[in-house]
Amino acid sequence: KNQVEQSPQSLIILEGKNCTLQCNYTVSPFSNLRWYKQDTGRGPVSLTIMTFSENTKSNGRYTATLDADTKQSSLHITASQLSDSASYICVVRNRYNNDMRFGAGTRLTVKP
Amino acid sequence: EAQVTQNPRYLITVTGKKLTVTCSQNMNHEYMSWYRQDPGLGLRQIYYSMNVEVTDKGDVPEGYKVSRKEKRNFPLILESPSPNQTSLYFCASSPEGLSKDTQYFGPGTRLTVL
Repeated sequence: KNQVEQSPQSLIILEGKNCTLQCNYTVSPFSNLRWYKQDTGRGPVSLTIMTFSENTKSNGRYTATLDADTKQSSLHITASQLSDSASYICVVRNRYNNDMRFGAGTRLTVKP
Repeated sequence: EAQVTQNPRYLITVTGKKLTVTCSQNMNHEYMSWYRQDPGLGLRQIYYSMNVEVTDKGDVPEGYKVSRKEKRNFPLILESPSPNQTSLYFCASSPEGLSKDTQYFGPGTRLTVL
């Protein structure tokens, strides 16, 4: 079982709508959690990084939350745009050995 | 422009024919890494390098070799490719392999082994 599970696997929304992507993890001890955006045919690009003490972090229309007690994170996208169509990958780092675990990603499609 | 480059971007080859995928970064990063990405599995680390002449196995090193003779380059070598190595490969670098550092990913190399 993957130590980082993302849901949903894929999501289709209309332009202008909001959406929330989920990431549940079992990585322990926890160091930090990153959300990456991966456009089709490109490498992942970091959106946010959150450490144990951070509950919420925003980057423009992207807002990430972290609940370290329940080992859950979410990525909320506000007022979606066509350019938000991409895969969003959750990555959790282990504090003990700095090992990183990648989720399989959520494929988001924003339609006009 | 600061970037990670990979070559080739696309490659179709046959079983057993040795190949090398190059990776180069111009940011003077110490840490470099190779990943493969397969549908439904997420990115999995193949090998990583903390610095010149220092390499270590990741999660899925079987069938791959790497070298780090100079800081900017980190080639991935498949001595005898097999069809199960058909995948999308990413090279990444970061200033150091520490917890806060962001990894910068290359554009990817799509490899098909027939």
